[in-house]
Formats: sequence, C-alpha cells, structure tokens
Amino acid sequence: NAGVTQTPKFQVLKTGQSMTLQCAQDMNHNSMYWYRQDPGMGLRLIYYSASEGTTDKGEVPNGYNVSRLNKREFSLRLESAAPSQTSVYFCASRADRAQVTYNEQFFGPGTRLTVL
Amino acid sequence: AQSVTQLDSQVPVFEEAPVELRCNYSSSVSVYLFWYVQYPNQGLQLLLKYLSGSTLVKGINGFEAEFNKSQTSFHLRKPSVHISDTAEYFCAVSLDNQGGKLIFGQGTELSVKP
Repeated sequence: NAGVTQTPKFQVLKTGQSMTLQCAQDMNHNSMYWYRQDPGMGLRLIYYSASEGTTDKGEVPNGYNVSRLNKREFSLRLESAAPSQTSVYFCASRADRAQVTYNEQFFGPGTRLTVL
Repeated sequence: AQSVTQLDSQVPVFEEAPVELRCNYSSSVSVYLFWYVQYPNQGLQLLLKYLSGSTLVKGINGFEAEFNKSQTSFHLRKPSVHISDTAEYFCAVSLDNQGGKLIFGQGTELSVKP
C-alpha cells in the first residue's frame, strides 16, 4: 500500500500561471481532503469530497477548484496563481466507519508551491 | 463554530524530561479529538485519537493524552522525551456530521535538547 501520494513534490509558478496538484489514495476511502499549511496557522481546509462525485468548500476555497476524478483521485487546481497561494499543500483521505482506523485521516507527503 | 487553540507555539525541553503540550477546543457539541506529529519536510502522522470511551488515550511513541470535557482540553504528554521527538505537533477536532473535516490548532514546535 502506497497510502496517499501527491505530485509534484515541489513547484515554482509565476503569478497568473495555472497548475493542477494531483492526489491519489489506495486505501478505498470515500472521503478526501485538500489542506494548505502556512507558518503559525496550522492546516486549513480548502475543499473536501465526502464521496465520489461530490465536493464541498472548506475554510479557504477562494482561488481553487477541485475534481474528484474517481474514488482514488482528487485533484486541486489553481487557475491563476497568486503569491498568497505560496504554501505547502496536503492531501488526505479518511477511513470509513466500517474500517478499523475509522475517522483517522491519512496524509500525503505534501507539495511545496512557490508563486513568484 | 469550532476552534482549536494550542497554547504554546514553541516548547524547548531537555532529553529525558517530561513534556506536556496543551490543547483547548471550543465546541457546543461532541467532538472527536486528534494529535498529529509532523517531522521536518514530511506529512502528518497520527499520534493518537479520542472518539469515545476512556478519557485517557495512549498513542504511538509513548505519548498519551487526556480528554477533559469540563475543561474542553486534550493535552498531550510524554514522561520522558527523546531527541527524535523533535517535531511539530498539531491538535485537531472534527465532527462526525460534518464530513470528518479537521480543524487544526496552530501547532506546537517541540525542540528536545541533549
């Protein structure tokens, strides 16, 4: 089991460029999440998907879009990157009620994004 | 709305000393509580969680936490720390009826010195 994987690991963009962060999980979880981590602010939820075909806004959704491509994959898109989106982005998936690790979220290794 | 406050942004401690990392939350309904650890340049790893039952929860690496409903606290403790415990620690809460979304505290940087 690879768990939660994210690509790329690092990315530098210029203001106005677009990009998509990829996330995949192989644990058969229904719920998936995108967080951003900024110094002194912990992690904040951008978007989440409770199940395949559904997505909902989190605390800081502005400037982002998401796609739940299938049960395994959940991508985050920046249409027009801004310096304020410089951050570390984490994808996570949550174990379901029927699983032993119920309610635990498993995190990917993160993507470090710099917007110049 | 729920919120989480970690009362110390940095905690320096000597090796083999005890440590307590403090976490308070605010919520009008029952919550699930978590502590995660993040080693440098890595993702988050679950240390322990409280869903229900015994208020004293034991986790990995010798850590434990106590859920105190009246004080709305979930402090993390370890009786004797090692250099390898140097990391950032995050307290988080979630509600079962809100899609499992986690609300994180600001983080506490634990620095263990020899």
